[in-house]
Amino acid sequence: AQKVTQAQTEISVVEKEDVTLDCVYETRDTTYYLFWYKQPPSGELVFLIRRNSFDEQNEISGRYSWNFQKSTSSFNFTITASQVVDSAVYFCALSELFNTGGFKTIFGAGTRLFVKA
Amino acid sequence: EAQVTQNPRYLITVTGKKLTVTCSQNMNHEYMSWYRQDPGLGLRQIYYSMNVEVTDKGDVPEGYKVSRKEKRNFPLILESPSPNQTSLYFCASKMEGGNTGELFFGEGSRLTVL
Repeated sequence: AQKVTQAQTEISVVEKEDVTLDCVYETRDTTYYLFWYKQPPSGELVFLIRRNSFDEQNEISGRYSWNFQKSTSSFNFTITASQVVDSAVYFCALSELFNTGGFKTIFGAGTRLFVKA
Repeated sequence: EAQVTQNPRYLITVTGKKLTVTCSQNMNHEYMSWYRQDPGLGLRQIYYSMNVEVTDKGDVPEGYKVSRKEKRNFPLILESPSPNQTSLYFCASKMEGGNTGELFFGEGSRLTVL
């Protein structure tokens, strides 16, 4: 069955610390996509990154980096030198394609990150 | 500006009073979906639509209806709201029916059912 687990409910760090948000997924498919979304206190959902199951290259975007490891079914997200503006809820998501042509995206429960000044 | 627009953003209603949350996107996206967000549960899919006149149930469809008569609109209907439908609702769309693209979300609609 399809499942996304974000075991960390809340994380609190002090500004400039590095922090890693964990995401572990389960799927029976060989073709799937993984996503991270950010939900700041204002409530909107912001897309951060997409990774397909055939691309295990890690990605870095400024202070953000993502580590995708199929061997451990993990897609972890690291923020380097965290800032107060990084305070948000972060969601990991998994998308699979059905044989019928439909697809489904499911989300983890989210990790709330507090960055203190 | 490309966007997904939901209305109303905030609503307080009473049990049993039918309501509709509208969702409209201006990106000509084929796929649209409704999610509800509850503390500790993340976002759970209510219904989705692969294209006009094509809708299907998500994980938590009970108590909800949808329709997709036009490509841009995907209203969520609560025929007889109950307190357990108090939640934050998000409409989302994406470019194609496949699973390759990211979801574009509306700003959310916070619903309270008394």
